Amino acid sequence: DSGVTQTPKHLITATGQRVTLRCSPRSGDLSVYWYQQSLDQGLQFLIQYYNGEERAKGNILERFSAQQFPDLHSELNLSSLELGDSALYFCASSVGESPGNTIYFGEGSWLTVV
Amino acid sequence: GENVEQHPSTLSVQEGDSAVIKCTYSDSASNYFPWYKQELGKRPQLIIDIRSNVGEKKDQRIAVTLNKTAKHFSLHITETQPEDSAVYFCAATPPRRGFQKLVFGTGTRLLVSP
Repeated sequence: DSGVTQTPKHLITATGQRVTLRCSPRSGDLSVYWYQQSLDQGLQFLIQYYNGEERAKGNILERFSAQQFPDLHSELNLSSLELGDSALYFCASSVGESPGNTIYFGEGSWLTVV
Repeated sequence: GENVEQHPSTLSVQEGDSAVIKCTYSDSASNYFPWYKQELGKRPQLIIDIRSNVGEKKDQRIAVTLNKTAKHFSLHITETQPEDSAVYFCAATPPRRGFQKLVFGTGTRLLVSP
């Protein structure tokens, strides 16, 4: 158990819908990351927050948004869902925000868009 | 931006043999190189990492080597066991103050046969 908690574990939804994925980082970790894993794209960095502030963006679609709350939990919002958004979404956390801080992954949220 | 290539995509070995996975990176400034192991349907787990000021690091049966001049790093697993079967991802991150953007390789599926 990495200490990073994600909900829901599985989610099936229809195209055009909106979903919210939730993440609680490890105790003491201030940095939260979101990654998308699909068969053809591997592990793709989406976004990083540190202590409530957005720090870096990767290949995150405009239909996707995220935030980190004062209690440090984070949510990833996916809207106008398309079939291609079906993937495993990982939340991860680390103590600090800079390179070299060990990143711990949660168990992921499986999203299936039908 | 950083780009990481990983080879081979699949690797089959007999129990007790050694396995080597190789990665190359494009950004010569990258200074942190973690390796993650991901079992089917599970989260990526850090197994070893190396920083650019070190050429080699060992942890029991696992070792990582880094060649900064050639911009490549390798994972070595000795005395492989069936439980080593998984997908292994290398990653690199350029030195950026205030954020960490891990760029992953495409993964190597290791199968260890008894």
